[in-house]
This record gives sequence, structure tokens and C-alpha cells, in this order.
Amino acid sequence: GAGVSQSPRYKVAKRGQDVALRCDPISGHVSLFWYQQALGQGPEFLTYFQNEAQLDKSGLPSDRFFAERPEGSVSTLKIQRTQQEDSAVYLCASSLRVGRGTGELFFGEGSRLTVL
Amino acid sequence: AQSVSQHNHHVILSEAASLELGCNYSYGGTVNLFWYVQYPGQHLQLLLKYFSGDPLVKGIKGFEAEFIKSKFSFNLRKPSVQWSDTAEYFCAAIENDMRFGAGTRLTVKP
Repeated sequence: GAGVSQSPRYKVAKRGQDVALRCDPISGHVSLFWYQQALGQGPEFLTYFQNEAQLDKSGLPSDRFFAERPEGSVSTLKIQRTQQEDSAVYLCASSLRVGRGTGELFFGEGSRLTVL
Repeated sequence: AQSVSQHNHHVILSEAASLELGCNYSYGGTVNLFWYVQYPGQHLQLLLKYFSGDPLVKGIKGFEAEFIKSKFSFNLRKPSVQWSDTAEYFCAAIENDMRFGAGTRLTVKP
């Protein structure tokens, strides 16, 4: 596609509910990143994929967070048993280049999660 | 720890005023630096980037930034802001991963 696409744009979940957030990166982009952006803060790194391989998940805040990219294109970020502190905008970004330390990241519009 | 600091949380300017937004990073080695902008309701977009070479980098929409290695700084500048520059501006740096500052909200009054 022309840009990074994320869905849903908005999600309201009750505390304890599981949610799944989807990211469609730009076609052909090898690298895919997930970030969490809390209100009034900059994006915080969550995890990084190179094709289907999850090379870094050091930013995932707890074992309730899980991300996958099984075919090296679409990625899903899953949050189990959501808590109020999970409320944030979840940003997906992709890059044509291989490696975390190179190239420009192209961002999606984000999925805003509100946990009640 | 790797970090990026943006000094100003909210800046309010009148149209035609000059802009400088501060950014400092705490990386010791080779670093790539970026400024991203987020207009209301839109996604993050790249304004400019520095990888190597001329430390004065020109970006889109008349923005520029200067990499000063001795000061660990990468401040964003624009000589004359417009109302349409109202947005949130994020400085970012890559060493192993891209890390962002907390952002500076710019409000330009017409």
C-alpha cells in the first residue's frame, strides 16, 4: 500500500479484556517496529521485526504483550488481560532497510487504546 | 542509558517569529538523528535527518537542524514560522534502536 496502515484506529476495552492491533507495513519493507506513545510523551520502543523474525522485544512492558509477524508482512500486537496503564497510542513503523540503526521509519496513524 | 531530551514542552509563537527547538542526546558513539513532526490528527512524518557529512541539515518546509557533536545537540530551526507549522515535534536518535524525545508542542498564533 501507499503507507503504513493500522487498525483499529480506536479501541475501547474493559479491564481484563484481550485486544489485538494490526499493522500493514509498506509493501517490501523489511523492518517493522512497534512503539507505545502515552499521552504527552514521545513514542517508546516496544519491539522490532526483520521480516518474520522478532529480533528485539526488550521494550515490551510485560508478558501480557505479544507481537508476531508470521509471514514477514502484516504484524499483530496482542495485549492480554488489559490494564488501565496500557491506555496509549500504539504506533507501527516500517523501514525498507535492514537493521534497527539505519534508515527512515515510516509511521502509521496509530491505534488509540483506551482501557476502562 | 540511551536518551533523547527535548527542553521545551510547549512553545507558543506568533506568525513570522523565528523558531528554535532544543534537542540533546546521550549517545557516546555514532548516532543518526532525526526530527519528526506530527500534525493534529495525522501520523508522524519525517522533517529531516542527519547521518553524516554537513552538520547543517536542510529539511522540508523550510526547517533545518544543526548537529553539534561537542554539545550532543541537534536543534531544530526555522527563520519564520507559519500558522500551519502548529504541530508536535519529536527529536529522535538511533544507536541501536530509534529513541524519541518527549516532544515539543508548537502553537503558532495567526
